[in-house]
Amino acid sequence: DIQMTQSPSSLSASVGDRVTITCRASQSISSYLNWYQQKPGKAPKLLIYAASSLQSGVPSRFSGSGSGTDFTLTISSLQPEDFATYYCQQSYSTPPIFTFGPGTKVDIK
Amino acid sequence: QVQLVESGGGVVQPGRSLRLSCAASGFTFSSYGMHWVRQAPGKGLEWVAVIWYDGSNKYYADSVKGRFTISRDNSKNTLYLQMNSLRAEDTAVYYCARDQTQWDILTGSPTHSMDVWGQGTTVTVSS
Repeated sequence: DIQMTQSPSSLSASVGDRVTITCRASQSISSYLNWYQQKPGKAPKLLIYAASSLQSGVPSRFSGSGSGTDFTLTISSLQPEDFATYYCQQSYSTPPIFTFGPGTKVDIK
Repeated sequence: QVQLVESGGGVVQPGRSLRLSCAASGFTFSSYGMHWVRQAPGKGLEWVAVIWYDGSNKYYADSVKGRFTISRDNSKNTLYLQMNSLRAEDTAVYYCARDQTQWDILTGSPTHSMDVWGQGTTVTVSS
C-alpha cells in the first residue's frame, strides 16, 4: 500500500507569509495527488487536483507542484481565512485506494 | 445548487449495524462516482469506500472491507453505506463526497479527486 507523509505536522505563520507544505509518497504516484483544506467543524474543500491544477473557485495564491514522490502546496501570501488543516491525498493506486496524508495544521503566529 | 446531505448517524453498540444515506441534489447524480470518507474525533481524514457512477465497481479501505457495503440508488439520487459489525474504532464523522474525474491527456488515465462534500453525519460506537 502507498503511504503518505506530510511535513511539517504543524506550523505557525503570519498574515502575508509565504507558506509551503510538503507531501511525500512511499512510491511514485506520478501526478495523482490532490490537496484539501479543512477548517474546524467543516467538511474538507478541494484546492488542487492532479498535483498542480487549481480547482475552480480557489484563489490563485494557492499552488501545487511536484511529481513522482515529492509534492508541495504553496500559499503565496497567507490570508486570515487560510488558517486551517491541509491534507494531501493520492489517487494512483490500483485497485483504487485514496490514501490521505496525516495533515498539516496552519495556525496564527 | 450542488449539495450532498448525509443522514443516519447515531449512537450504536459494538457489533450492531447502521446504514448511512447521502442525498444528492443540483447535479446529475447518475453521472458521478461517489465516496465515503470518515474522520475520527481529533484525527485526520480516512477514505472508506468508492462506488462507480453506475454501481459497477466498488472499492474499500482494508479497515472496513467485509464489514461495510457501499451502494447507490440512482433513481433516488441517494448513496448509502451499510455498516455491519461496528467497532469502537469506527466512531467518526462520515462524509460523502462526489468524485471528480479528469483525464490525463498524456497517458489517457483518469485522475480522481473529491470536489463536493456533504456536511457529515456522526457515528458513535459505544456500549
